[in-house]
Amino acid sequence: DAGVTQSPTHLIKTRGQQVTLRCSPKSGHDTVSWYQQALGQGPQFIFQYYEEEERQRGNFPDRFSGHQFPNYSSELNVNALLLGDSALYLCASSWPTGTGNEKLFFGSGTQLSVL
Amino acid sequence: DQQVKQNSPSLSVQEGRISILNCDYTNSMFDYFLWYKKYPAEGPTFLISISSIKDKNEDGRFTVFLNKSAKHLSLHIVPSQPGDSAVYFCAASRWGGSEKLVFGKGTKLTVNP
Repeated sequence: DAGVTQSPTHLIKTRGQQVTLRCSPKSGHDTVSWYQQALGQGPQFIFQYYEEEERQRGNFPDRFSGHQFPNYSSELNVNALLLGDSALYLCASSWPTGTGNEKLFFGSGTQLSVL
Repeated sequence: DQQVKQNSPSLSVQEGRISILNCDYTNSMFDYFLWYKKYPAEGPTFLISISSIKDKNEDGRFTVFLNKSAKHLSLHIVPSQPGDSAVYFCAASRWGGSEKLVFGKGTKLTVNP
């Protein structure tokens, strides 16, 4: 049973460019969340997708956008890249247990470097 | 505005002894707390959680304690093993965990043989 998979593992871009990161959730999971982890910081919530719609959003600018497909996989898009966007981008998936105590399963992340 | 704080960036303990990792939070609306462990080049892995209606939850060598009045939680690892060496993140959420998680900056635990 594959866990959460993310691609690519590493990416180098220059300022002003656009980037797309991809995520496949763990089998049976229908909710995908994206987090940004800057160096020396904890992961920060970007947004969450459920039933192909953005359900929640953190404090990130509109340059950050996403999409969820019918097979529950997801993409994170970042436009007009800034040096400060350099970080590890983590995708996490979960499923509604009905108990309210869902826990997230994380992928290994995409390390984005903006030069 | 850091709502979840882990004030110790690092902790070093001897194998077999107890490791205690601490976490403080400021938002009284948080009602679900989790600990994640992260090895280099891997994503965070869920370790243990606790609901605000409890003050203790135990899973094998790992125990989480919650003091709501002090807005403080701690993770105890007994006995500590070298394989426990990793970065430990405390996280909090509202409404049971499906809400977005707010993470602390992490504590790097080193368990020496």
